[in-house]
Amino acid sequence: EVQLLESGGGLVQPGGSLRLSCAASGFTFSSYTMPWVRQAPGKGLEWVAAISGSGDDTFYADSVKGRFTISRDNGKNTLYLQMNSLRADDTAVYYCAKSAGTTMYFGNWGQGTLVTVSS
Amino acid sequence: DIQVTQSPSFLSASVGDRVTITCRASQDITSYLAWYQQKPGKAPKLLIYAASTLQSGVPSRFSGSGSGTEFTLTITSLQPEDSATYYCQQLHSYPLTFGGGTKVEIK
Repeated sequence: EVQLLESGGGLVQPGGSLRLSCAASGFTFSSYTMPWVRQAPGKGLEWVAAISGSGDDTFYADSVKGRFTISRDNGKNTLYLQMNSLRADDTAVYYCAKSAGTTMYFGNWGQGTLVTVSS
Repeated sequence: DIQVTQSPSFLSASVGDRVTITCRASQDITSYLAWYQQKPGKAPKLLIYAASTLQSGVPSRFSGSGSGTEFTLTITSLQPEDSATYYCQQLHSYPLTFGGGTKVEIK
């Protein structure tokens, strides 16, 4: 059974940093491109970033480029999102999800972790 | 970037009704489109991928159609448990983009 468990969310001040983790199990983690998707309170879904199975290729939404870094540790079956220079509009539930290999629809999602950026 | 526009943003229908949600892409995405259902406080659930392929375990009252720039999600006989927000997503190219969502209410 595929399981995705996010952690690392919390309250952070504007300009601060946070690192999210997503522990994956139940599939061959290194074979899948993995994304982060977020959802601001009461708003729709926004894709944030994705990383290839090897970790060699990364992709970012313009809204986070230069501030967020996606990475993975295939030995630990864990996906990360390092978030720097956080702003109030980064406040959201952050989900990791499992793609269909390199085809980027998402058949499995974690439960999400809430990031709140506020002073 | 490919923009994805969903309509309507809200609809109210009765149990047993046929419901259609439309998604339009700003350029040709062939069949690289997925549909999701999201209930309050829950993660999204994949319903349809490749524009018309039903995800395993999803009831057959859900169907998807279209290609190119215009796509539809149809619920043939609306059930109470279908009350949710529905999103389309283009997966043709980065940046990946979602539609703004359609909230479906049961009358």
